[in-house]
Amino acid sequence: DVKVTQSSRYLVKRTGEKVFLECVQDMDHENMFWYRQDPGLGLRLIYFSYDVKMKEKGDIPEGYSVSREKKERFSLILESASTNQTSMYLCASLDGATNEKLFFGSGTQLSVL
Amino acid sequence: GENVEQHPSTLSVQEGDSAVIKCTYSDSASNYFPWYKQELGKGPQLIIDIRSNVGEKKDQRIAVTLNKTAKHFSLHITETQPEDSAVYFCAALKGNDYKLSFGAGTTVTVRA
Repeated sequence: DVKVTQSSRYLVKRTGEKVFLECVQDMDHENMFWYRQDPGLGLRLIYFSYDVKMKEKGDIPEGYSVSREKKERFSLILESASTNQTSMYLCASLDGATNEKLFFGSGTQLSVL
Repeated sequence: GENVEQHPSTLSVQEGDSAVIKCTYSDSASNYFPWYKQELGKGPQLIIDIRSNVGEKKDQRIAVTLNKTAKHFSLHITETQPEDSAVYFCAALKGNDYKLSFGAGTTVTVRA
């Protein structure tokens, strides 16, 4: 079965810190995504990547950047963390056979103090 | 872009009863409609999906219906069990896109 692994389950950072959220998938999928989950707002797309070194902004990219140096790894970067970036962050990988089914990691709950 | 609205935001049902969650979408070009279930402490997982050329699909106790004309689709869970307690998300996808648009989610609680 596809495994999408997020490096941290919980993370506490201070405002202004640079934060890296890491995600690794083991199925050689080309497309990977970072979502943010907030109560009442559902899942909102921050960035996605359709190949190594290729990225595209999602619906809420402000304050974030991403890195895809290797196919299996997709990193989300908060250049200068702010309290309004406290949230659950979910990484996902897209099944290349169908281009429809997403496989999600377990999420990283980030608190910015 | 696509706008997906989901109702209700919370749903409490007695064990054994049915649960229904409804979603509407705005873009008539959307043709794929999955439902994801998120259990506590886990990422969302696909539980059922439907394409625009089909009106209804069933998988054991869960079913999804689609009304293309009205641009809405629904998830039906029958004979609910405690393990059905979770957050459910509907989503929509256009055929030439990779990006799902998600609804806001429904927290379902099944009371024993």
